[in-house]
Amino acid sequence: DAEITQSPRHKITETGRQVTLACHQTWNHNNMFWYRQDLGHGLRLIHYSYGVQDTNKGEVSDGYSVSRSNTEDLPLTLESAASSQTSVYFCASSEWRTDTQYFGPGTRLTVL
Amino acid sequence: QQQVKQSPQSLIVQKGGISIINCAYENTAFDYFPWYQQFPGKGPALLIAIRPDVSEKKEGRFTISFNKSAKQFSLHIMDSQPGDSATYFCAAGGDDMRFGAGTRLTVKP
Repeated sequence: DAEITQSPRHKITETGRQVTLACHQTWNHNNMFWYRQDLGHGLRLIHYSYGVQDTNKGEVSDGYSVSRSNTEDLPLTLESAASSQTSVYFCASSEWRTDTQYFGPGTRLTVL
Repeated sequence: QQQVKQSPQSLIVQKGGISIINCAYENTAFDYFPWYQQFPGKGPALLIAIRPDVSEKKEGRFTISFNKSAKQFSLHIMDSQPGDSATYFCAAGGDDMRFGAGTRLTVKP
């Protein structure tokens, strides 16, 4: 069965360190998304990609970057982790731009 | 700014009752309105979705009502069950997807 996976599921890091969260999907979807989930804010879009070599900034992109070198993967990098980036991060993919998004299980990141 | 406003933040309903969650959006370019259900420790999963060419969509106990002129849509859960206890997110899709802040639903036995 097709799926979307995220790793690691839990991560504790220190302020200033670079962190990369992995996202891998086997749906063969062109569209992939990264969100962060915080109490009171719901899901906020960080970055998204509509295909290989395509990346776009979402509403909370500062301090984050992504790259898309193949269809299956969209890693999210925190260049210099800050305590404000402590959150649960979800990756999602979809077949069409405005269509059902399939979410991964999430990564809980703590920045100390 | 928040493009999708969701209310209430939390909702407690008795088993067998009707749960109603409301959302309002600002951008008239949105053309896809899904509702997602999320259980603790899991990612959100699509529950039901509607496009603006219809005013209502029903799937089992779940119904979306859509009012294009008012830029509002709502989720109705009929005969609510304890297993429906979860967080529900509305969303609006256009160039990208914008989510509401979520409603934590508790259905009491």
